[in-house]
Parts: sequence; C-alpha cells; structure tokens
Amino acid sequence: DIQMTQSPSSLSASVGDRVTITCRASESISDYLNWYQQKPGKAPKLLIYGASSLHSGVPSRFSGRGSGTDFTLTISSLQPEDFATYYCQQSNRTPLTFGGGTKVEIK
Amino acid sequence: EVQLMESGGGLIQPGGSLRLSCAVSGFTFETYAMSWVRQAPGKGLEWVSGISSSGDNTYYAASVKGRFTISRDNSKNTLILQMNSLRAEDTAVYYCAKDGYTVATKFDHWGLGTLVTVSS
Repeated sequence: DIQMTQSPSSLSASVGDRVTITCRASESISDYLNWYQQKPGKAPKLLIYGASSLHSGVPSRFSGRGSGTDFTLTISSLQPEDFATYYCQQSNRTPLTFGGGTKVEIK
Repeated sequence: EVQLMESGGGLIQPGGSLRLSCAVSGFTFETYAMSWVRQAPGKGLEWVSGISSSGDNTYYAASVKGRFTISRDNSKNTLILQMNSLRAEDTAVYYCAKDGYTVATKFDHWGLGTLVTVSS
C-alpha cells in the first residue's frame, strides 16, 4: 500500500497568514494527489485534484503543487472559514490512501 | 444539484450485519464510479471500497475484504455496502462519495454520512 504522510499534524495561524501543508507519498504517484478540507461534523470537500487543479467553486487562495512523492497545499491568505482539517489522498492505485490530516487552528 | 444521502447506520453487536445505502441524484449515476469512505470517531479518513460505473469491478481495503460487499443498482441510483462480521473497529461514520469515470480519480461530492456503532 502507498503510505501518505502529512506534516505538520497541526498548526496555529492568524487570519491573513500564508500557510503551507506538506504531503509525502511512500512511492511515486505522479500527480495523482487530491486535497480535501473537512470541518467538524461535516463531510470532506474536494479542494485540489491532480496535484494542482482547483476544484470548481474553490477560492483561488488555495493552490497545490508537486509531483512524484512530494506535494504541498498552500493557502495564500488564511481566512476565518479556512480553519479546518486538511487531508491529502493518493489516487494512483487502490487501495486509495489518505494522509493523517493537518488541523489548522486559530492563533 | 448533486446530492448523496446515506442511510442504514445504527448500533449493532459485534459479529452482526448491516446494510448501508446511498441514494443519489443530480448526476448520471451509471456514468460514475463510487466509493465508501469511513471515519472513526476523532480519527482520519479511511477509504473502504470502490466500484466501477457498471458495477463489474470492485475494490476493497484489506481491513474489510471478505467481510464487506459493495454493489450498485443503476436503475435505482443507489449504492450499497453490505457489512458482515462487524467488529468494534468498524465503528465510524460512513460516507458515500462520487468518484470520476473510473475508480480512483477524485471524490468531488460526498454524502452527509451515516454512523455505524459496533458494540455489545
């Protein structure tokens, strides 16, 4: 199975900050990497697919980069509604696997 | 508007069986692969199972293979997860998710989830 490792597991940031979350795959997955946002008690929402493509309706302050084994999700200017947990997920092959999550909290 | 609605969760004893359903609307169901993803209380996301658009191909996580069966009824726009030999570690919120034209693309829509609690 492909292991997905996210870092950090949590971070504290202020509104307006630039935030970057890292995801590393245990083997190359090309650009088969998706990012999701989840708020407490809610279902996850797709943010980024194919490592860098913005899902419809997602604000442009979210961006994704990377290929192979190393990927990043960046929020260019953190907004109050962005405080949530973020997950990466590889879609290279089954079993599909998620990272452990990064909780973004208010500083 | 794309909508997915899970049902069938509840409290079940270890070793028991449960059947989850996901009713979908707002897109051409028979065109898309689908998956089940679960989340144990306070934990991260875990993919459980996926099925191709036709239903001919199914995929499972090792943790549920041989116990869970995914299926779909394209005439009724419904996704099914039959769960047998349930264990305490299967306790989770179960989400159905719309995939791409093939399994393992991206989950662009999710249901609200249904809670399964396995406990005596």
